[in-house]
Amino acid sequence: SQQGEEDPQALSIQEGENATMNCSYKTSINNLQWYRQNSGRGLVHLILIRSNEREKHSGRLRVTLDTSKKSSSLLITASRAADTASYFCATALTGNQFYFGTGTSLTVIP
Amino acid sequence: DAGITQSPRHKVTETGTPVTLRCHQTENHRYMYWYRQDPGHGLRLIHYSYGVKDTDKGEVSDGYSVSRSKTEDFLLTLESATSSQTSVYFCAISLLLVLTGTGELFFGEGSRLTVL
Repeated sequence: SQQGEEDPQALSIQEGENATMNCSYKTSINNLQWYRQNSGRGLVHLILIRSNEREKHSGRLRVTLDTSKKSSSLLITASRAADTASYFCATALTGNQFYFGTGTSLTVIP
Repeated sequence: DAGITQSPRHKVTETGTPVTLRCHQTENHRYMYWYRQDPGHGLRLIHYSYGVKDTDKGEVSDGYSVSRSKTEDFLLTLESATSSQTSVYFCAISLLLVLTGTGELFFGEGSRLTVL
């Protein structure tokens, strides 16, 4: 069964708006990561948050983690058309086993 | 880009035929993974390897086998392909950092397999 589930499945926003996507998972984790996938390409790592961290920033990205609720959110601020992609959360149960969610498809309209 | 090459990138085959996908890395990373990606399912882990000749099953390993005889190569074999194995297959590598106990994944560009 899928370890992670993203919500919403699809999101469409105007350029300049913020995009928020959520990830829920089922078991205790070592860390949680977010990845981006452009159409027809492999996934690219965006950011990692460890289980003892609550919030992390990287450029226009902000990730939060609530281990009590087994959930995480990814916020992309001031979105650009180039942010159009699918976004996946991945949980690491141990250090080296990574399980992915179903993804959120983000469309940023210029 | 991480030095990961998948081959073939596209393959069409018939039900019942054997298929081998190859993942080659130039990074000398210890960990290698095979995922399949299907609409509505995201990425699902098939098998992974934590060293030469050291492999383990993922969540959807039935119908697949793997081998890793060299650090740089991780092979995924479908002994007798079925239509349900039509998918996009991604190889990934990871450097597990001793200090943090974790690492990030670097992905190849994918291999699109169609089983008729």
